Amino acid sequence: EVRLVESGGGLIQAGGSLRLSCAASGGSGYAFSVHSINWVRQAPGKGLEWVCYISSSARNIFYSDSVRGRFTISRSTATNAVYLHMRSLRVDDTAIYYCARDLCTGGACFTSLGLDLWGQGTAVTVAS
Amino acid sequence: VVLTQSPRSLSMSPGQGVTLSCTTSESVNSRYLAWYQQIPGQAPRLLISGASTRANGLSDRFSGSGSGTDFTLTISRLEPEDFGVYYCQYTITFGPGTTVDRK
Repeated sequence: EVRLVESGGGLIQAGGSLRLSCAASGGSGYAFSVHSINWVRQAPGKGLEWVCYISSSARNIFYSDSVRGRFTISRSTATNAVYLHMRSLRVDDTAIYYCARDLCTGGACFTSLGLDLWGQGTAVTVAS
Repeated sequence: VVLTQSPRSLSMSPGQGVTLSCTTSESVNSRYLAWYQQIPGQAPRLLISGASTRANGLSDRFSGSGSGTDFTLTISRLEPEDFGVYYCQYTITFGPGTTVDRK
């Protein structure tokens, strides 16, 4: 059974950069590679906030207004992983970051149909 | 699209049924409406997609319905493991959540 495993979180000073990774573990790589992937974050004590989305082919990529221009999502077929490059980090970026597999598969995906598989999350803390 | 969930919190007892509401600011395509459960300290879990389709292996105590601007998640008989926060989602937007805690 495939699981999603995030890594790369940590404590960083405001203005710094981090790269988060999301890799599929177990099961078939196909169960990850054909799906769109999202990053969703949750600030301490707060609700869920969608961050960004990448379709299976990487043809469709979308960002929330709060991270556009600072964050970059990408995926690698070689490593079967999705990455989130975060730059110019701010204190309000502090959150647990989850990667989540979308129900949408294939190249025609342009938005989320729902997130059926989530990683355990990786914590990002931005200090002032 | 803005999502509003009601009530924002409620206290229930095991065995009771509960209906949670998610209202969208404009009429939406139900294909993109999903519900999640989050137990404290855990990642969210998909319950319902397409407004009414249960996730694989989900108990039939959970059901989703609705169209247009009004959607509901119903839990027919609360079990101890059902207490947590419930979120609706429409495409890339999440609602604020409803907390169901144990009375």
